Amino acid sequence: DTGVSQNPRHKITKRGQNVTFRCDPISEHNRLYWYRQTLGQGPEFLTYFQNEAQLEKSRLLSDRFSAERPKGSFSTLEIQRTEQGDSAMYLCASSLLASYNEQFFGPGTRLTVL
Amino acid sequence: QKEVEQNSGPLSVPEGAIASLNCTYSDRGSQSFFWYRQYSGKSPELIMFIYSNGDKEDGRFTAQLNKASQYVSLLIRDSQPSDSATYLCAVVGQAGTALIFGKGTTLSVSS
Repeated sequence: DTGVSQNPRHKITKRGQNVTFRCDPISEHNRLYWYRQTLGQGPEFLTYFQNEAQLEKSRLLSDRFSAERPKGSFSTLEIQRTEQGDSAMYLCASSLLASYNEQFFGPGTRLTVL
Repeated sequence: QKEVEQNSGPLSVPEGAIASLNCTYSDRGSQSFFWYRQYSGKSPELIMFIYSNGDKEDGRFTAQLNKASQYVSLLIRDSQPSDSATYLCAVVGQAGTALIFGKGTTLSVSS
């Protein structure tokens, strides 16, 4: 499978715990994005990497959230001290720099905070 | 606040009919426009993108863009029950690379 992959697919955690999600983009894609989607809403942008550089962050990305993309390959999104409001689908997408920014999404990680 | 607006629906059409989905956007400098299909519980799937005024056709799908009116539409010809899903309109603004999504329109195709 050469598409975007995300792990885990589901995560249930208790409030206050830390969680980490992983995204593996399409292999030749140098741009990687994280979005969050709640029920009945479109995905909302969180952050964006071009290769290993984090170039853009949304105001939605509070200081409890951190994302990395070491060596410009896979990326991780960590949420510290989770809150019930963090419950959502976390989506990763990737695209090619030399394109019209067509972004291809992974299957997502569904987070439930109890 | 840059926004993308869609009618939430549901839009109901009989099998074989044309489904017309509409989207307006507020950032006049927006460059690229995308339609994604999302089945319940799944992630968005890219079905069309358009960046210049006019029509772009791909199989049963036609995307239409009118930058002067800040309007994007998606036509689905010969609608099938398998087309029943939520259709998300997304825009890339002039200033960034992130997609700005609408809330989506739910399409229901009855057989």
